[in-house]
Amino acid sequence: GESVGLHLPTLSVQEGDNSIINCAYSNSASDYFIWYKQESGKGPQFIIDIRSNMDKRQGQRVTVLLNKTVKHLSLQIAATQPGDSAVYFCAEMGEYGNKLVFGAGTILRVKS
Amino acid sequence: DTGVSQDPRHKITKRGQNVTFRCDPISEHNRLYWYRQTLGQGPEFLTYFQNEAQLEKSRLLSDRFSAERPKGSFSTLEIQRTEQGDSAMYLCASSPAPGSYEQYFGPGTRLTVT
Repeated sequence: GESVGLHLPTLSVQEGDNSIINCAYSNSASDYFIWYKQESGKGPQFIIDIRSNMDKRQGQRVTVLLNKTVKHLSLQIAATQPGDSAVYFCAEMGEYGNKLVFGAGTILRVKS
Repeated sequence: DTGVSQDPRHKITKRGQNVTFRCDPISEHNRLYWYRQTLGQGPEFLTYFQNEAQLEKSRLLSDRFSAERPKGSFSTLEIQRTEQGDSAMYLCASSPAPGSYEQYFGPGTRLTVT
């Protein structure tokens, strides 16, 4: 997939502020989307998912927004905490419902 | 621990050697996936199993790679004649059943080929 290699986009926020991480996906036929959080040396951790028949879904401190018109996905984290510092990936489910296709990732840095 | 487990967590091998990794999915999860992740990139799909049947393989999975899930529970991924380009994190994920799209990842096996 497309990637910026080591030069991932970085979002720096102050502890307590809200964070918004954006993602553009490629396949207009994708039916399902997931946001994952990955800390250094660990596997991706499921955060929240959304189906294509929805445009918003809320979890605990997180909200995912889906704009199918422009193929855009965003993850909003409320009251960002130092423990939220990680790389965040969006992923779309292939049209046959089997494999995930991941975006390039965004580094979130939370300043105390 | 009810999560996905992988073994070993780290493997250093010399070019040309064979390596095998193991993945134990979440109990009763029917689907098991292998992904590869290189530094700074998102995971890339390699292959997946529905129970013991291997249903799809990526073109990334050259003939030096083979995966098995003999009893529909744990899975192994073998790389023969390793090359330096095989150095990556190998991730395993499992999913409950067809129609349930959530995939839960293990901690990964970090392979370094010298």
